[in-house]
Amino acid sequence: QVQLVQSGAEVKKPGSSVKVSCKASGGTFSSYAISWVRQAPGQGLEWMGRIIPILGIANYAQKFQGRVTITADKSTSTAYMELSSLRSEDTAVYYCASTGQQLVLGAFDIWGQGTMVTVSS
Amino acid sequence: DIQMTQSPSSLSASVGDRVTITCRASQGISNYLAWFQQKPGKAPKSLIYAASSLQSGVPSKFSGSGSGTDFTLTISSLQPEDFATYYCQQYNSYPPTFGGGTKVEIK
Repeated sequence: QVQLVQSGAEVKKPGSSVKVSCKASGGTFSSYAISWVRQAPGQGLEWMGRIIPILGIANYAQKFQGRVTITADKSTSTAYMELSSLRSEDTAVYYCASTGQQLVLGAFDIWGQGTMVTVSS
Repeated sequence: DIQMTQSPSSLSASVGDRVTITCRASQGISNYLAWFQQKPGKAPKSLIYAASSLQSGVPSKFSGSGSGTDFTLTISSLQPEDFATYYCQQYNSYPPTFGGGTKVEIK
């Protein structure tokens, strides 16, 4: 079964960028779609976007358009989420989640362990 | 965007109780609904997809039902490991959206 392992916690200054990785193992990376979901402290879950690695096609939530870039490296089975122009409100745990559905949204089945991103001056 | 409304936002229950959580979509989503369990400091865990299908390895005490706009998650006999926050999520259309969560606490 697929496992998703994310990169470690980050502390960033306002206005900077962060890039979080999500490495898949135990499955066929090219057969999945990977989404990114974030959770601010004490808050609920918010979908940011997704990528179909085999096609390299990404979709983004309107809220994050222009600030988020999701990419995938098939050679290392790793997906990336880069968020720019960071502000304090971006302080959150960022999760990657996989689904076996590529051409339609599909239900998430496996989640990464989460990456805490703290934005502070 | 489709709004997902969960009720109640929190509940207190005892070990052995039957617990039901409701999720309502602002428009019809067929059966494109999932349920997740999240414990403090942990990633969400997928429980149910397609409104009523259990993810692999999820015990049968969890069950889901509903279609269209109204859905329920039922835990047949609450155990200590079930105390957590539960979220519903629609994946009928972009963007996928989540309910606000239901925190299940020990009475």
